[in-house]
Amino acid sequence: QLQLQESGPGLVKPSETLSLTCTVSGGSISSSSYYWGWIRQPPGKGLEWIGSIYYSGSTYYNPSLKSRVTISVDTSKNQFSLKLSSVTAADTAVYYCARHLLGSSKVDPWGQGTLVTVSS
Amino acid sequence: QSVLTQPPSASGTPGQRVTISCSGSSSNIGSNTVNWYQQLPGTAPKLLISSNNQRPSGVPDRFSGSKSGTSASLAISGLQSEDEADYYCAAWDDSLNGPVFGGGTKLTVL
Repeated sequence: QLQLQESGPGLVKPSETLSLTCTVSGGSISSSSYYWGWIRQPPGKGLEWIGSIYYSGSTYYNPSLKSRVTISVDTSKNQFSLKLSSVTAADTAVYYCARHLLGSSKVDPWGQGTLVTVSS
Repeated sequence: QSVLTQPPSASGTPGQRVTISCSGSSSNIGSNTVNWYQQLPGTAPKLLISSNNQRPSGVPDRFSGSKSGTSASLAISGLQSEDEADYYCAAWDDSLNGPVFGGGTKLTVL
């Protein structure tokens, strides 16, 4: 059974860079056809797609965040990572990693999510 | 402001049938399939309906989905207390080149 688990600091200072890693277990991140993405949910609000990466390194980013986002993949560790620079309080959210097909909003499975708070 | 539009809330009594709507545009719902997610309090979203009307294994047949043009609907029949959750619709957006979500509908079982 494929499982995803987010890890990283739960508190980040304003203007700094948020860094998270997603570890995939029970399957290979190098599976063809699947993209690995990051989705966030501010407290009490809806879901926002941040970006996705293919195991080859091909990436797609939400245009609203593109200037601040970098997603990378490490196939040897079965992991992919998110970096979001110049964070503000508006970036406070639960961050989920998940799998989906290119061209599909069928996201499954999801990681359990990790709350990242931006505060000094 | 979410790309897909859902009512913020819905409610029903046990046993009733409720529907949740999701409105989009030609670049998302109009040209791609719709998926629905259920999010119980404090948990990650869970895939509830895929490809407009397909139930993943383990999802009760009380849940059904439909799509017409640039809108979609989720129907829950025989409402149960454990159905109380937030529900989100999603579709791929050809302009964004990524998935877009509705703002979510909080379902209350009275």
